[in-house]
Amino acid sequence: DIVMTQSPDSLAVSLGERATINCKSSQSVLYSSNNKNYLAWYQQKPGQPPKLLIYWASTRESGVPDRFSGSGSGTDFTLTISSLQAEDVAVYYCQQYYGTPPITFGQGTRLEIK
Amino acid sequence: EVQLLESGGGLVQPGGSLRLSCAASGFTFSSYVLSWVRQAPGKGLQWVSLISGSGGDTYYADSVKGRFTISRDNSKNTLYLQMNSLRAEDTAVYYCAKCVMGHWFFDLWGRGTLVTVSS
Repeated sequence: DIVMTQSPDSLAVSLGERATINCKSSQSVLYSSNNKNYLAWYQQKPGQPPKLLIYWASTRESGVPDRFSGSGSGTDFTLTISSLQAEDVAVYYCQQYYGTPPITFGQGTRLEIK
Repeated sequence: EVQLLESGGGLVQPGGSLRLSCAASGFTFSSYVLSWVRQAPGKGLQWVSLISGSGGDTYYADSVKGRFTISRDNSKNTLYLQMNSLRAEDTAVYYCAKCVMGHWFFDLWGRGTLVTVSS
């Protein structure tokens, strides 16, 4: 199974500052035939289901603010929030969808306001 | 409106059974792979099971294989999860989630239903 490891576990950032969350997979999730990274990012606010933010490692879901961006390839990925807003307080998860299941998530990163 | 609505959660004793349902609306149900994802209290997301649009292909996490069965009724736009031999560690909010066409990430989630396994 592909193990997803996020860092840090929690993060406190000032409003308007940049937040960076890392995700590392135990094996590459880059599919060579189409050069796509099978990696998604989700945001989960308290009491709510997860919400898709990013897929293919860097493609923003429709309606997601452009302050959210994803980058990386192979085994190392980053979710960046360029200017933190109060409504961005949440837990963020990465997920790999490479090959056949099992589908695996990172353990989550809790983002708070400093 | 495009939505998923789970039901069937509750309190069950260890060793007991429960069947979850997920009613879908607003999209062509039979065209999409669907999945169950759970979240234990205060913990992260754990994928549980996945079923193809036709229902002919199913996958399970090792932790539930042989105890849980995923199924779907495309005539009723409903997804199911039959859970048998429940354990305390199965206690979680169970989410129904819709996969993006052709790929196994999730663009639509239900609000979840809580399953508590306790004596």
